[in-house]
Amino acid sequence: RKEVEQDPGPFNVPEGATVAFNCTYSNSASQSFFWYRQDCRKEPKLLMSVYSSGNEDGRFTAQLNRASQYISLLIRDSKLSDSATYLCVVIPLNQAGTALIFGKGTTLSVSS
Amino acid sequence: ETGVTQSPTHLIKTRGQQVTLRCSSQSGHNTVSWYQQALGQGPQFIFQYYREEENGRGNFPPRFSGLQFPNYSSELNVNALELDDSALYLCASSRGTGGRPGELFFGEGSRLTVL
Repeated sequence: RKEVEQDPGPFNVPEGATVAFNCTYSNSASQSFFWYRQDCRKEPKLLMSVYSSGNEDGRFTAQLNRASQYISLLIRDSKLSDSATYLCVVIPLNQAGTALIFGKGTTLSVSS
Repeated sequence: ETGVTQSPTHLIKTRGQQVTLRCSSQSGHNTVSWYQQALGQGPQFIFQYYREEENGRGNFPPRFSGLQFPNYSSELNVNALELDDSALYLCASSRGTGGRPGELFFGEGSRLTVL
């Protein structure tokens, strides 16, 4: 079983739609969780951290369920500029340094 | 844009050759890590350097090696190249402490093709 699993998509949605991505992780001792965004042929960039209490940043909401080892990202009112690959990221507790464990990514395409 | 620069941007090698990739980290960042991103996959952690010492390594064979220099720039060396080494190699820098947790600043990567 992979450490971090995501549905690769692609998710094709119209502008204004609400879309949700899910991610599961296998290491119950994992301590930190994030969503990164990667545009086509560009480098990944941190989108937001994910906290147990849930957190929101504008149109983006991230949630963590430690009991189910499940992370989600909700995007409301999708924009064309949201088209990208969204990478679920975990930092395991027992990993030396600050190695980030990435999922394969979920591709989102927003159309007009 | 992130202040992390990598060179070369693209290169083609043949099996068995050796390659050196270079990275200049963002000013003020003393930690550099390297990731391999194969097509359609997420980045995979290779190793990390903090103040010129390796302080974490992923599941990569010893033919993947690295260095960090006093100015915190870094090199990734890969010996005895294999076809499966074809990938985008990403360098990322961060502050050892005081930075936003989990935030790495990636360069645009070096795209290696092994024929």
